[in-house]
Amino acid sequence: GAVVSQHPSRVICKSGTSVKIECRSLDFQATTMFWYRQFPKKSLMLMATSNEGSKATYEQGVEKDKFLINHASLTLSTLTVTSAHPEDSSFYICSAGGGGDQPQHFGDGTRLSIL
Amino acid sequence: KQEVTQIPAALSVPEGENLVLNCSFTDSAIYNLQWFRQDPGKGLTSLLLIQSSQREQTSGRLNASLDKSSGRSTLYIAASQPGDSATYLCAGNSGGGADGLTFGKGTHLIIQP
Repeated sequence: GAVVSQHPSRVICKSGTSVKIECRSLDFQATTMFWYRQFPKKSLMLMATSNEGSKATYEQGVEKDKFLINHASLTLSTLTVTSAHPEDSSFYICSAGGGGDQPQHFGDGTRLSIL
Repeated sequence: KQEVTQIPAALSVPEGENLVLNCSFTDSAIYNLQWFRQDPGKGLTSLLLIQSSQREQTSGRLNASLDKSSGRSTLYIAASQPGDSATYLCAGNSGGGADGLTFGKGTHLIIQP
């Protein structure tokens, strides 16, 4: 089955640090990947759609300059949280696949804690 | 904008019972609907995908149905087991299946041994 790998699984860092999260589709190519965020006891919320070779599409209320997305190849998308602050602490998770009648496959997520 | 609601928010039942989890959505133009399982602190495991032309999907003890006209989906779990304890999420998308998913808040399920 389709496998999506996300790295790192956990990050703890100081306020002001920039953090990069990688999302890889291991056994299939993904022209589109999605980034979601989940706060404690809340639902997953779509942050942005990552498009290979073009700019990402951000959902309303998500700062594109804060959350930089790069999708330079058909198997890798990265999310960089720039100058992270405690309010950015959350569970970030990516997905790939979907399109037409195909399911989306999710990575294991990254738990980001900003001190 | 699509909104997804899941009822109940939490459910605790004895092992062996059959149970139904409910999901409702506001936009009948939903394309695909997926049910996921999320264990504490973990990512998502896809359980069932009901494609745009389908009304039902089955996998083992799980059965999911979709009624677009009423805006509802149900996940039926037969003969529940303690290992079924998890949070169950339903999510749908539009745009011919190419859009990101809109999730409900989930049902936190506990199966008592």
